[in-house]
Amino acid sequence: EAGVTQSPTHLIKTRGQQATLRCSPISGHTSVYWYQQALGLGLQFLLWYDEGEERNRGNFPPRFSGRQFPNYSSELNVNALELEDSALYLCASSLAGGDRSYEQYFGPGTRLTVT
Amino acid sequence: AQTVTQSQPEMSVQEAETVTLSCTYDTSESNYYLFWYKQPPSRQMILVIRQEAYKQQNATENRFSVNFQKAAKSFSLKISDSQLGDTAMYFCAFMKRGGADGLTFGKGTHLIIQP
Repeated sequence: EAGVTQSPTHLIKTRGQQATLRCSPISGHTSVYWYQQALGLGLQFLLWYDEGEERNRGNFPPRFSGRQFPNYSSELNVNALELEDSALYLCASSLAGGDRSYEQYFGPGTRLTVT
Repeated sequence: AQTVTQSQPEMSVQEAETVTLSCTYDTSESNYYLFWYKQPPSRQMILVIRQEAYKQQNATENRFSVNFQKAAKSFSLKISDSQLGDTAMYFCAFMKRGGADGLTFGKGTHLIIQP
């Protein structure tokens, strides 16, 4: 069974630009979570999508946005990039519903560098 | 809001030894889940073990077991017969029932298994 995949592996952008990160969940999973892993700040919850809808967001500004497509893959967009957005962005998927829906499976991440 | 604290930034043990990683959390929730994730140098986050708060029995997965003390809000991970491949960052994580806020992570413990 294929795991969670993310693309690209690395992304280099300049300040003020926009970045788009992509995530494909495990087959059968309908929930996608995004996390930011920044140096010194640890892992922080960014966004949660389920059944195509944004269900909740963490304490991040509106320039962090995204969407979930009908096939449950997801896209994270970061507008007006700032230097402090440099981080590893992790996507995780989980089943919706049932006791095992609380297990999240992570992708390898996208390393975003803002210069 | 909930917080997760891992008080050991780094630990080092010899191969085949048993090691215990500490984690405490704070929450006002009564229904929640606790997890240990492993992040090797390759950076892919791997679910090691999970514990449902309503279950008194401690979870075990092969060489990995937890000591869940609900009243003390403590959730430690024990690794028996440690192996070189266990070298990684270990994150303790909390999720309240429903998953709306995603996972709340501790800062992590860097575990080094020495040959």
